[in-house]
Amino acid sequence: DAGVTQSPTHLIKTRGQHVTLRCSPISGHKSVSWYQQVLGQGPQFIFQYYEKEERGRGNFPDRFSARQFPNYSSELNVNALLLGDSALYLCASSLDQQGVREKLFFGSGTQLSVL
Amino acid sequence: QQQVKQSPQSLIVQKGGISIINCAYENTAFDYFPWYQQFPGKGPALLIAIRPDVSEKKEGRFTISFNKSAKQFSLHIMDSQPGDSATYFCAAGGLTGGGNKLTFGTGTQLKVEL
Repeated sequence: DAGVTQSPTHLIKTRGQHVTLRCSPISGHKSVSWYQQVLGQGPQFIFQYYEKEERGRGNFPDRFSARQFPNYSSELNVNALLLGDSALYLCASSLDQQGVREKLFFGSGTQLSVL
Repeated sequence: QQQVKQSPQSLIVQKGGISIINCAYENTAFDYFPWYQQFPGKGPALLIAIRPDVSEKKEGRFTISFNKSAKQFSLHIMDSQPGDSATYFCAAGGLTGGGNKLTFGTGTQLKVEL
């Protein structure tokens, strides 16, 4: 079975541009979460989506947005890129049964470099 | 309130030795404490997780010890092997405060030497 797939794997942008990152969850998983991992740090929660609705949002500016599609895939959009947005962006999927703690499966991430 | 503090930042252990990584949390609303292993170029992968109603959980060579009163938990890797060389993250999760999110520690870079 395929794991969580993310595209692209690497991306180079310049300041002020926008970027769209894509994620396909494991088949049957209905929840997708996005995390930002700056070099040398732990992943930081950005968003969680379940059944196309936002379930949670981390402490990130409005330049960050996301959505989930009917097939449960997801996009993360970042506008007006800043140098500080350079990071590994991780997508994680889970079944997300309501009220039940579940294993998060992470993809290998998209490495974004902002020049 | 949302921080998870992890130590040490790096660790070198001889093959066959015990690796110990410690974490502390502040938010008593956390009710799920997983440990993740990350290799270069890969996303984190769940190793083992514990809930606060138990004090210890063991899976193979990996053991979590949990001290609810002290708000601390630790990962023990027994018989450490060179293949265990990776970065390890503790995390804490709670269903309150915005989604099913995890708050991660800053990571421990483990190197197991022959």
